[in-house]
Amino acid sequence: EVQLVESGGGLVKPGGSLRLSCAASGFTFSSYSMNWVRQAPGKGLEWVSSISSSSSYIYYADSVKGRFTISRDNAKNSLYLQMNSLRAEDTAVYYCARGYGSGWDIDYWGQGTLVTVSS
Amino acid sequence: DIQMTQSPSAMSASVGDRVTITCRASQGISNYLAWFQQKPGKVPKRLIYAASSLQSGVPSRFSGSGSGTEFTLTISSLQPEDFATYYCLQHNSYPPTFGQGTRLEIK
Repeated sequence: EVQLVESGGGLVKPGGSLRLSCAASGFTFSSYSMNWVRQAPGKGLEWVSSISSSSSYIYYADSVKGRFTISRDNAKNSLYLQMNSLRAEDTAVYYCARGYGSGWDIDYWGQGTLVTVSS
Repeated sequence: DIQMTQSPSAMSASVGDRVTITCRASQGISNYLAWFQQKPGKVPKRLIYAASSLQSGVPSRFSGSGSGTEFTLTISSLQPEDFATYYCLQHNSYPPTFGQGTRLEIK
């Protein structure tokens, strides 16, 4: 069974930093691209970032480019999102999601971790 | 960026009704479209991939169709557990983009 478990969310002040982690199990992690998708309170889904299986290809939404860094450790079956210069508008539940196929399709999602940016 | 526009944004329906939700892309995306269901406080769940392929384990009352710029998600006979918000996702080109969601409520 595919399992994705996020951690690292919390309350942070504007301008602060946070690092999210996602522990994967139940599949061969090193064979799949991975994504971060976020959902602001009461709002829709927004794709944030993707990383290919070998980390060769990395993509970001314009809204986070230059502030967020996605990475992965295939030996640890883990995905990360380093978030710097956080803003109030980054407040959201952040989901780790497994990529499907060669593009940016998504099949399985983690339960999410809440990031709140507030003074 | 490709914009995905869902319609309606919200709707109410009764158990047993046939429901259709539409997703329109601002440019052609072939069949690179998925549909997700999200219940309040829960994780999104993929229902349909490649525009018309049913995800394993998803009831056959769900179906998807379309190609290019217009896509539909159909629920043939609504069940109580189907009341949720539905999202489409285009993954033809960077950046992948979601529709704004369709909230399906009980009439």
